[in-house]
Amino acid sequence: EDKVVQSPLSLVVHEGDTVTLNCSYEVTNFRSLLWYKQEKKAPTFLFMLTSSGIEKKSGRLSSILDKKELFSILNITATQTGDSAVYLCATWRGGYGNKLVFGAGTILRVKS
Amino acid sequence: DAGVIQSPRHEVTEMGQEVTLRCKPISGHNSLFWYRQTMMRGLELLIYFNNNVPIDDSGMPEDRFSAKMPNASFSTLKIQPSEPRDSAVYFCASSLFENTEAFFGQGTRLTVV
Repeated sequence: EDKVVQSPLSLVVHEGDTVTLNCSYEVTNFRSLLWYKQEKKAPTFLFMLTSSGIEKKSGRLSSILDKKELFSILNITATQTGDSAVYLCATWRGGYGNKLVFGAGTILRVKS
Repeated sequence: DAGVIQSPRHEVTEMGQEVTLRCKPISGHNSLFWYRQTMMRGLELLIYFNNNVPIDDSGMPEDRFSAKMPNASFSTLKIQPSEPRDSAVYFCASSLFENTEAFFGQGTRLTVV
């Protein structure tokens, strides 16, 4: 059975801290890994990673994939209260039964 | 583009009633997903369509749940009969192709009393 496991489950930091969120996976015919941010409503797309070792960056957020060790990290530097959200990791499985499956998420709270 | 459009946004119904949730994917997108989100179970994939064909429905909880995609611009998720444990937020999402980012609708919050 495919697994997408995120850690930690929740995290509380102060503004200005740097955080690292983890996502490990065991997926048949892995094709890509995606990160989403969910505030009060629908998840919004952050990054899609398909190749090992290539960092994707957007402002204070960055992410990298390790296909050998089957994990990805999402880094947020100089955190702000607006970064408080649930961060979701998802994987595309290819081949027969291809689909997009999500992990349980990491709840991040940034205190001012 | 207006994005993925779901209706209704909120639905309160009595146990035993039929519930139909609707979704209009982004125009031109070939893949459509139905997810259910609860605090206990997170975001669960219920069913995935590609080119209007159901590819994976292994997440559909039981026979009370059914989904259709009669054309590229419309999908429904039906629960009959509904039960209190079906209370959740139901999201529809679409992506341009397989292995591309999925965009989510605003969700339907279902409460079964």
